[in-house]
Amino acid sequence: EPEVTQTPSHQVTQMGQEVILRCVPISNHLYFYWYRQILGQKVEFLVSFYNNEISEKSEIFDDQFSVERPDGSNFTLKIRSTKLEDSAMYFCASRTAEAFFGQGTRLTVV
Amino acid sequence: DQQVKQNSPSLSVQEGRISILNCDYTNSMFDYFLWYKKYPAEGPTFLISISSIKDKNEDGRFTVFLNKSAKHLSLHIVPSQPGDSAVYFCAGSNYGGATNKLIFGTGTLLAVQP
Repeated sequence: EPEVTQTPSHQVTQMGQEVILRCVPISNHLYFYWYRQILGQKVEFLVSFYNNEISEKSEIFDDQFSVERPDGSNFTLKIRSTKLEDSAMYFCASRTAEAFFGQGTRLTVV
Repeated sequence: DQQVKQNSPSLSVQEGRISILNCDYTNSMFDYFLWYKKYPAEGPTFLISISSIKDKNEDGRFTVFLNKSAKHLSLHIVPSQPGDSAVYFCAGSNYGGATNKLIFGTGTLLAVQP
């Protein structure tokens, strides 16, 4: 069964460093998303991506965040200068009707 | 702005009985609803969905009911099993919209007691 895969599963980084979270969406899906969940809180929308461009972004998705689909299969989320409050689980999703999520990357900023 | 609300943070049921998880929404543009099951430190797992043109969708032990006039949906799990213990999220989406992002509720922790 096709699935969304995310790497790495866990990333520890120092405050101010750049991180890149990677995702391989389901191949015939057209809509791609990044969400995050801070421990104990709800799953929050970050950004949606369609036709090789951002279609919507949330208030959380400020200038330190960017997304790319560099090679037609991978879908990346870059955080340029990480802050302590960026520590969270980050989930990638892709969608036709139903949206399927990856297993997430736990980002810990120290 | 909480467009999707799950007012019960937790629910406990006995094995074999019915679990009913509730969800309310405010956004009239939502035309597609989804339920997910989630374990800690894992991604949400898709369970079942329903289009706004339907009022019921069933898949095995899972049934979702949609009451559009009340802006309310519910997930029924029958019979409940201990393996169903997890956090359940409902999500609304404007599937026909420009981005069709999912908006999640805050989740309900279901505990199924053996």
